Amino acid sequence: GAVVSQHPSRVICKSGTSVKIECRSLDFQATTMFWYRQFPKQSLMLMATSNEGSKATYEQGVEKDKFLINHASLTLSTLTVTSAHPEDSSFYICSALDRALAKNIQYFGAGTRLSVL
Amino acid sequence: RKEVEQDPGPFNVPEGATVAFNCTYSNSASQSFFWYRQDCRKEPKLLMSVYSSGNEDGRFTAQLNRASQYISLLIRDSKLSDSATYLCVAASGAGSYQLTFGKGTKLSVIP
Repeated sequence: GAVVSQHPSRVICKSGTSVKIECRSLDFQATTMFWYRQFPKQSLMLMATSNEGSKATYEQGVEKDKFLINHASLTLSTLTVTSAHPEDSSFYICSALDRALAKNIQYFGAGTRLSVL
Repeated sequence: RKEVEQDPGPFNVPEGATVAFNCTYSNSASQSFFWYRQDCRKEPKLLMSVYSSGNEDGRFTAQLNRASQYISLLIRDSKLSDSATYLCVAASGAGSYQLTFGKGTKLSVIP
């Protein structure tokens, strides 16, 4: 199956700092990537859909100025959590779609566990 | 609101047992359905797609009833390695790229 690499796997930061998370498709071109967030004992919630070369589409309730998404190439999307606060502590997971396979299967990265102190 | 509902469990079953999970979805426009498994503090991994005709992959059988908006997963001959949280997922939107996840059903297979 397709491989999606997400980095870093774990971040601990102070309140007010910004954190950048990278999501890379290693063996395919991902024109579309997705960013999810999962709080403990909750379901994965889609935050935004990222399309290469265009602005991301954010889900209702997700602040686009706080969660900056850049999808500048066919293999890389980044999520920057700006001015992080403790309530942003969560498990952030990206996924990528391999449209060349003509299937709507999303391949997930290993996730980033963010803890804001 | 688009929702996918699952029994959170936990289901504690002995090795070799057969266990069934159920799921309902509220968005009648959902087009594709999946079961994912998620191990503790890890990313979800695709287990299988779900089709109206029912499909089987080894010890796993999935069923979809569109009229009732109901999905099921049956695991036969449970192994210790099956212990995980099973996520029911409905896809909708253009290209069926919009995934809605259930909260998951936790399974523990006991020796």
